[in-house]
Amino acid sequence: EADIYQTPRYLVIGTGKKITLECSQTMGHDKMYWYQQDPGMELHLIHYSYGVNSTEKGDLSSESTVSRIRTEHFPLTLESARPSHTSQYLCASNPAGTARGRFETGELFFGEGSRLTVL
Amino acid sequence: GNSVTQMEGPVTLSEEAFLTINCTYTATGYPSLFWYVQYPGEGLQLLLKATKADDKGSNKGFEATYRKETTSFHLEKGSVQVSDSAVYFCALTPNSNSGYALNFGKGTSLLVTP
Repeated sequence: EADIYQTPRYLVIGTGKKITLECSQTMGHDKMYWYQQDPGMELHLIHYSYGVNSTEKGDLSSESTVSRIRTEHFPLTLESARPSHTSQYLCASNPAGTARGRFETGELFFGEGSRLTVL
Repeated sequence: GNSVTQMEGPVTLSEEAFLTINCTYTATGYPSLFWYVQYPGEGLQLLLKATKADDKGSNKGFEATYRKETTSFHLEKGSVQVSDSAVYFCALTPNSNSGYALNFGKGTSLLVTP
């Protein structure tokens, strides 16, 4: 069972609020990711990180930002939430590059998701 | 670029029916292929994987074979159960771009009725 945690699981907030979605993993994985899942279930990569102090934008443009100060922690922040940000956000990590790395398989471990509703 | 196409759902089956969810891919090089499952209200879990041509991944009665000649990785199960109701995603590992993030198909919703 993967040790990757997301908080909060559910969040309902008003427009204009600043929010941070937390993601932590205890597996020592270097690579971490944020996916946005739309109501039609499709997954879109919005951010990823190769390791500490590395952050990159994904395929889908997003107004959110991320940081990677510690290996285990990869929070996502929205400075001013809008109804268009309503979605499910999934965090994931990848052991590739670590001592136990299954680099060749690229398996991702996912958290349970954070469902954000902006009114 | 790398992409995955999977059959659209929803798929509705009776318990003990045979399941096939089609998945085809476009990729450069030799990607690894995956099936993930998402149960209601949860994140994604790896169901099975295959890392090279002709490999067969299997888990929990599900199987998929990596077919390079047809660029396919179809998911099958001989006898589905109500507990298999979930969304199934086909995915591949791209090249070194995007930090080795997975490219996912759009997902196929499966509903198994008693």
